[in-house]
Amino acid sequence: EVQLLESGGGLVQPGGSLRLSCAASGFTFRSYDMSWARQAPGKGLEWVSFISGSGENTYYADSVKGRFTISRDNSKNTLYLQMNSLRAEDTAVYYCGLVYRQNWLDPWGQGTLVTVSS
Amino acid sequence: EIVMTQSPATLSVSPGERATLSCRASQSVSSNLAWYQQKPGQAPRLLIYDTSIRATAIPARFSGSGSGTEFTLTISSLQSEDFAIYYCQQYNNWPPYTFGQGTKLEIK
Repeated sequence: EVQLLESGGGLVQPGGSLRLSCAASGFTFRSYDMSWARQAPGKGLEWVSFISGSGENTYYADSVKGRFTISRDNSKNTLYLQMNSLRAEDTAVYYCGLVYRQNWLDPWGQGTLVTVSS
Repeated sequence: EIVMTQSPATLSVSPGERATLSCRASQSVSSNLAWYQQKPGQAPRLLIYDTSIRATAIPARFSGSGSGTEFTLTISSLQSEDFAIYYCQQYNNWPPYTFGQGTKLEIK
C-alpha cells in the first residue's frame, strides 16, 4: 500500500524558515514524480511545487518561487520542502502527493499544518 | 495560467438523488482533467482522471464527462458518504497545475 506521511509543520514567525518532510513507502520512490500542494484555512487547493523522480527537474508556483525549494533523497524515500522567507499567506496545510504520469496527484499524504504568525 | 471555475459553489441535494457538478477551463485542456473529493479534516482523494476514468475503488455511481473547456462530475444516487467538497484539476498545460475553487455538496 502506498503511504505518504508529512512532518515538520508548526508555528513560525514571518520571515522565518521551516523544512517539511514527506516519508514515502509502498512503492519504488525514485521512479515517481512528486509534488507539494497546500490548502489555506477554509480555502481551496493550490499546487506548490513538483520534482521529477531523479530530482533533475523542479517547478514552482509563482507565489513561492525564489523562497521555497523542493528536493528529494531517493536513498531515504523522502521528499522535502524547504520554506524560507515565510509570510502570513503561506499559512496552510501542506500535502505531499505522488504525481502519476506527470498529471494527477494520487495518493495524497494526510498533511502538515504550517502557521506563519508573530 | 489556466483558470478553472467550478459551479455551483454549494449544491444541496437529497440522498438518493443525482448531483451534477460543473467545471470550466479558461482555455482548452483537452481531456486532461481530474476530480478529487475532500471530506472535513481529510486529504483530497482522487476520483476521476483523464475526464472520465474512475480511480481505483471508486464506485460506479461517480462518472465524469466533457472535453475542451466544459466538464461535469455526476453522482448518480447520492449516498451519505458522498457529501463533501469536490475539486477539479487540469494537467494539460503545466506548470502550474491548477484547481477549481471547489463545490461543496451538502445534504438537502
